[in-house]
Amino acid sequence: QVQLVQSGAEVKKPGASVKVSCTASSKTFSNVGIAWVRQAPGQGLEYMGWISGYNGKTNYAQRFQGRVTMTTDTSTRTAYMELRSLRSDDTAVYYCARRDVIIYFGMDVWGPGTTVTVSS
Amino acid sequence: SFELTQPPSVSVSPGQTATITCSGDALSNQYSYWYQQKPGQAPVLVIYKDNERPSGIPERFSGSSSGTTVTLTISGVQAEDEADYYCQSSDNTGSSPFGGGTKLTVL
Repeated sequence: QVQLVQSGAEVKKPGASVKVSCTASSKTFSNVGIAWVRQAPGQGLEYMGWISGYNGKTNYAQRFQGRVTMTTDTSTRTAYMELRSLRSDDTAVYYCARRDVIIYFGMDVWGPGTTVTVSS
Repeated sequence: SFELTQPPSVSVSPGQTATITCSGDALSNQYSYWYQQKPGQAPVLVIYKDNERPSGIPERFSGSSSGTTVTLTISGVQAEDEADYYCQSSDNTGSSPFGGGTKLTVL
């Protein structure tokens, strides 16, 4: 069973950038995609976008366009999500999740989450 | 982007049936997904493609779709089913929002 391992917690100042990584324990990204979802404290899930492991094509949620970049390094089975111009309301747990075409792009494997705190 | 609307909370007694609805225009022609999230844990996919269960998800979880509303049904609810449940779908632009979430309380 594939597992996703995420990078550790981050504390950033407003205006800074953060880059979170997500490494798959096995299997390549070639036939799956990696989505990023965040959850602010006490709030619901918020979809940020995803990147295709097949061709590297990205699709970002409208509210993050221009501020987020998602990439993959297939040689290390690692996906990255960079969020720029951080604000206090970007404080959240950031999850990566596998989107598999076999289950019609449902997110069937999730990382444990990375806590990002934005504070001056 | 489009929106998905869920009731904030649903309560049910053990052994009863819980139904959680999710409404949105895109649901009439796009697949839906349901996720279970327990406190402090990552979400778990419980239904995909409207009514399919991933491997390992108990049979008491089922999904259905009718027009612009999809429904998650949990038959014979158990105490361990107490959690937040989120629906999700996608439109043809790739936008894939979640509903606001429904807190299921097992009385």
